[in-house]
Amino acid sequence: GAVVSQHPSWVICKSGTSVKIECRSLDFQATTMFWYRQFPKQSLMLMATSNEGSKATYEQGVEKDKFLINHASLTLSTLTVTSAHPEDSSFYICSASSDRQSKQYFGPGTRLTVT
Amino acid sequence: QQPVQSPQAVILREGEDAVINCSSSKALYSVHWYRQKHGEAPVFLMILLKGGEQKGHDKISASFNEKKQQSSLYLTASQLSYSGTYFCGTEEFYNTDKLIFGTGTRLQVFP
Repeated sequence: GAVVSQHPSWVICKSGTSVKIECRSLDFQATTMFWYRQFPKQSLMLMATSNEGSKATYEQGVEKDKFLINHASLTLSTLTVTSAHPEDSSFYICSASSDRQSKQYFGPGTRLTVT
Repeated sequence: QQPVQSPQAVILREGEDAVINCSSSKALYSVHWYRQKHGEAPVFLMILLKGGEQKGHDKISASFNEKKQQSSLYLTASQLSYSGTYFCGTEEFYNTDKLIFGTGTRLQVFP
C-alpha cells in the first residue's frame, strides 16, 4: 500500500515558539493532503484540506494564521503551528490521497507537547 | 456534525462477534472504515461507495444503507489483533472533498 511519512514523530517546544511538521507521500503523488488533530481518547478532527499549488481550505473554527499549511509539491505538505501554546498540544496526523473521493493514506502522526 | 458511532466500547473474548454502527445526520456519498491502535495512525479497512453495498475481507465486513444514512461494521470470530478504536469516516453527498470521522468505538479482545 501507499506510504505516507511524517516528521518529526514527536516534538516538545516552549510556549510562543513555532513548530513545523512535514508530511510526505513516499511512493505516490498526492493531489490532496489533509491535516487532522486528535486529542486523547477523541476522534480525528479535520483541520484543513490542501491541494497542491493552491491555498488550503480550513475547517470552521481553525485559525488559518495560527496553523499555516503549505502544499508546495505533489509529495510534500507542511503544517506550521505558530506561537504555540499548551492548548495546542495534541497528536497531529496528516493523510494523503491520489485523487478526490479516494481512500486516504495516513501518516504515523506527530505528537506535539507545548510546555 | 460528526457521525455517531455505537456502541462507544466493546469487550470481547477471542472468537466472539461484534457489530459497530455509524450513523450520520447528512446524506452520504461514501463511508470509510479505519482501525487505530493506541499512539498510531489509523489503518484503512474498507470503503463503501454505493447504497446497499456490502463488502468484506477475511472476517471483517461492512454494509452501507444510504437511505438510513448509516453503515455497520461486522467483526466475526474476533482475534486479539482486532483490538483498537474503530472510526467510520463519512463523505457527505454534497461535500465529497473530505472525510468527517465518527465518534469512535473502542474494541478490546481478550484471550
